[in-house]
Amino acid sequence: GAVVSQHPSRVICKSGTSVKIECRSLDFQATTMFWYRQFPKQSLMLMATSNEGSKATYEQGVEKDKFLINHASLTLSTLTVTSAHPEDSSFYICSARVTLNYGYTFGSGTRLTVV
Amino acid sequence: GDSVTQMEGPVTLSEEAFLTINCTYTATGYPSLFWYVQYPGEGLQLLLKATKADDKGSNKGFEATYRKETTSFHLEKGSVQVSDSAVYFCALSGLNSGNTPLVFGKGTRLSVIA
Repeated sequence: GAVVSQHPSRVICKSGTSVKIECRSLDFQATTMFWYRQFPKQSLMLMATSNEGSKATYEQGVEKDKFLINHASLTLSTLTVTSAHPEDSSFYICSARVTLNYGYTFGSGTRLTVV
Repeated sequence: GDSVTQMEGPVTLSEEAFLTINCTYTATGYPSLFWYVQYPGEGLQLLLKATKADDKGSNKGFEATYRKETTSFHLEKGSVQVSDSAVYFCALSGLNSGNTPLVFGKGTRLSVIA
């Protein structure tokens, strides 16, 4: 089946540093990647939609200068949390639609803890 | 806009009990409907889906039928196991396009006790 590989699975960083999260589509081309954030015991909140070769579209309230998204190729999309603060601590998940019939596949998520 | 409403949790059941998690939706046109499962500390896994009215999705003993007349996609399982303990998300895809993200319900946490 279609797989999105997401790394790292867990990261702890100091306040003020930046963290990069990668999502790679392993056996299909992901023209579009969706980035979600999930707080404990809550649903997924869409942060942004990235399209290969163009600028990401951010949801209202999401700071695009803090959450930098790059989608330079059909198999790789990255989310960089810049100047991280403790309130950025969360579970981040990427997702791509494989085909119209197959549906969506998700990365395994990244648990970010900012100390 | 499109939305999904699912029953509030948590739901606690004994092993072998019958499970129903209600899900209703609001959407224009004819969305595709999904159930995803999330185990602790993991991402989401597709459990089942249905792409048109009256379709029944099924997997691992779970079933859900796309009911257009009641705009519902309730998840059922006849006999739950401890290993089914997880969070279940109902979701829809409103447009037949690769650029459209899923719209999720708030999730329902299921705990199955032996």
